[in-house]
Amino acid sequence: GAVVSQHPSRVICKSGTSVKIECRSLDFQATTMFWYRQFPKQSLMLMATSNEGSKATYEQGVEKDKFLINHASLTLSTLTVTSAHPEDSSFYICSARGAGQPYNSPLHFGNGTRLTVT
Amino acid sequence: AQTVTQSQPEMSVQEAETVTLSCTYDTSESDYYLFWYKQPPSRQMILVIRQEAYKQQNATENRFSVNFQKAAKSFSLKISDSQLGDAAMYFCAYRVIQGAQKLVFGQGTRLTINP
Repeated sequence: GAVVSQHPSRVICKSGTSVKIECRSLDFQATTMFWYRQFPKQSLMLMATSNEGSKATYEQGVEKDKFLINHASLTLSTLTVTSAHPEDSSFYICSARGAGQPYNSPLHFGNGTRLTVT
Repeated sequence: AQTVTQSQPEMSVQEAETVTLSCTYDTSESDYYLFWYKQPPSRQMILVIRQEAYKQQNATENRFSVNFQKAAKSFSLKISDSQLGDAAMYFCAYRVIQGAQKLVFGQGTRLTINP
């Protein structure tokens, strides 16, 4: 149980275009989803936290107009990288916390999306 | 703000031997959780072990155990009888109980297992 599906796993886009990444909780309701970014050989850096039905909370230094996050339902959150540039190339990972889960329960991670902007 | 520090960018160990990965953290909270995650080349994040700060007993999961020193804010991971499949990036992570409960990760330690 507790499966998080992230799609696509890889995407290549041209500079200036937008790309959408989906994060779905397949067998549980995700009240909170987190979006992380990971550069090669580096750690996961939290970009934003989204709660179903409300605006996302962005970490300091993350451009909310560039990285649009929508959490319209309890099973789906999307991250849209708008007007992508080569420096946006990275590995993006979502994670989710389920409704009613105890505080010590681990977050469930998607498999990540490798974005390459040419 | 909470920070997590892993001072060992890389570690290596002979197969079947024991290795310890270090982690320290900084927080003013009294209630929180600590985790070790493993990230193999597939990039999937896999939970290895977790520790509640209010528990004095160190967590153990089969070959994996932690040494949790709350006063020192230290949370090391010991892997016994290392196996080739243990090779991966290991991330220490901290999570507060209140609020958004976001995970804060350390820089990671790349573990190599030598056959």
